[in-house]
Amino acid sequence: EDQVTQSPEALRLQEGESSSLNCSYTVSGLRGLFWYRQDPGKGPEFLFTLYSAGEEKEKERLKATLTKKESFLHITAPKPEDSATYLCAVQARSNYQLIWGAGTKLIIKP
Amino acid sequence: DGGITQSPKYLFRKEGQNVTLSCEQNLNHDAMYWYRQDPGQGLRLIYYSQIVNDFQKGDIAEGYSVSREKKESFPLTVTSAQKNPTAFYLCASSIVLRRTNTGELFFGEGSRLTVL
Repeated sequence: EDQVTQSPEALRLQEGESSSLNCSYTVSGLRGLFWYRQDPGKGPEFLFTLYSAGEEKEKERLKATLTKKESFLHITAPKPEDSATYLCAVQARSNYQLIWGAGTKLIIKP
Repeated sequence: DGGITQSPKYLFRKEGQNVTLSCEQNLNHDAMYWYRQDPGQGLRLIYYSQIVNDFQKGDIAEGYSVSREKKESFPLTVTSAQKNPTAFYLCASSIVLRRTNTGELFFGEGSRLTVL
């Protein structure tokens, strides 16, 4: 069964304290892995797409990486405005619909 | 500005009532989706549509209905048959490449439905 597991459920960091969020997946043939950011009471906002193991994407303080079993979202020197829930989703070659993880709630304290 | 508009943002329903959530997009996207979000769970797909006058059930379609009469519009009706309708509902759209939905979805701001 295709599934996505994100850890930790919540992460509290001090401003400037770098860390990583994990997205583990099992899927029968990966078409793509996607990261989204969701602010409270809002819809998710697309961040990155990763297609193959070894691929990396960067945007400001965020960098996403991909292996054959998991993806990491690295946050370098975070700021309070990076506080949000980060969602991971995968798309299988056999079924084009996304399978979503439950998300990691990131809180950056000033 | 292009985007997706959902309305209403908050909705209260009495048990036994049907309610309809509106979703309109001006991105010229072919595909549209409805998801349900509950605390501690991943997004779950209710219905999706790749083309006007055609739509497919997702993982949790029971108790819901949709229509796609125009490319821009994909309303969701939550019927009285839905046992636990209190949730945050998200509408999304995407382009379709070679008959495949891309994973880059554009979301609306959501509608929060509460059953009294």
